This record gives sequence, C-alpha cells and structure tokens, in this order.
Amino acid sequence: QSVLTQPPSASGAPGQTVSISCSGSDSNIGSNTVNWFQQLPGTAPKLLIFSNRLRPSGVSDRFSGSKSGTSASLVISGLQSGDEADYYCASWHDGLNGPCVVFGGGTKLTVL
Amino acid sequence: QVQLVESGGGVVQPGRSLTVSCVASGFSFSTSTFHWVRQAPGKGLEWVAVISSDGVNTYYADSVKGRFTISRDESKSTVHLQMHSLRSEDTAVYFCARDPHLWGGELGHWGQGTLVTVSS
Repeated sequence: QSVLTQPPSASGAPGQTVSISCSGSDSNIGSNTVNWFQQLPGTAPKLLIFSNRLRPSGVSDRFSGSKSGTSASLVISGLQSGDEADYYCASWHDGLNGPCVVFGGGTKLTVL
Repeated sequence: QVQLVESGGGVVQPGRSLTVSCVASGFSFSTSTFHWVRQAPGKGLEWVAVISSDGVNTYYADSVKGRFTISRDESKSTVHLQMHSLRSEDTAVYFCARDPHLWGGELGHWGQGTLVTVSS
C-alpha cells in the first residue's frame, strides 16, 4: 500500500488528453512539492515534472503538472503512442520515523 | 554528459551482505545529493535512501533502516549502498539518482540500474 495513491491504469486515444491523479496527505503533498516520473518499458525512470509544475529542459510541453492541497495531477495532452509508459508521482514525507521520499504506486498509461 | 553507472549487483543468499556502487560523471559531484531507488520485478518504484551533498544528512526508508547504509566517496565520485541482513524482499533493480537539492526530490538523472537477487 503506497503512501501516495494513484489509479493503477489510465487510457486514451491518440490526440486526446488524459489526467493522472496523485492523492496524499498533509505529511507529504500538503507540505512538500510533487515530482512526476515517466518509465518506459525496460528503462530507468525519467523526471517529467518537478516542483509541482516545472518541466526539465527537453520535456515536451504536452506534459503539465499541478497541485492543490494534498493532491496533484499530471495532464498529458495530444496523446502519442510513445507516451505509453508507467507514471509515478513522488514527494518528501514528514514521517514519525523521520523524513523520507514516497512514491505513488504508479499508473500504467495505455494509448488506444 | 551526465552519467551515473551502477555496479555490484548479483545473487546473494538471505542474511548475507552486498554493496552496490554508483560512479558519477559529467557534473559537480560535490554539490549533488544522491538517492537510491529500487524496483522489485514487475512492481513499482520504492525509495531506499538519500545522502546530502556534504554527506552529513542521510535518510532511509523504514523497510531498510538499520540494515542499509548509504555513503559517498568524493575522491572517486562514487556513492555506495551497503546492504546487510538481506531478505528475499530486497530483490530488485537498484537505481542511483542525482538530485540538485536535498529537499526537492528532483531526481533528474538516473543510472541504468543494477539487479540484486536475494535467494538461496
């Protein structure tokens, strides 16, 4: 059971827009920034969004992030077949045993 | 260019120890924070540990606290993860990742990973 909750799957047709949610608590998303990662099959994860809504250099502007309270969202517009991947949200968590980083369980995106 | 290359993975028996390492190049090692993140076969990402740029601050996931130790060698631009009392549930690909800041979680560069298999 992940500390951050994501839907296990999402799908959309090419060209459509899909949103992936990430739900947390006051101890993580509510008090820290959210980052999003894309993991293509058989490869290492790639940073997609940092500090809630910022894109690293080279990441398409079809990817956007937002945060409100204890939840965050990743929106992918103009879906392409190459977007088929697993997507993870992550945030620092202020735990009772000390700070740690927590990941969501991941969302598998299928482009129909 | 930025490169992180992990090594040291392999098959190890339960209860034994293993150290995996990550050699960094192409950026300022001394000002970078490093994380270890693992992924069990067919599962999601699990954060393991982090070490700050000055080596003073280290934090661990509850699942590895007391068994794993993260460290850094400035002279070799290398980050190590010493793993003791290994369990079958520690079987995973271990990724090293670089973060420009301790508290950002901005893991912008990742290595290719090294597979650790705990099995008798």
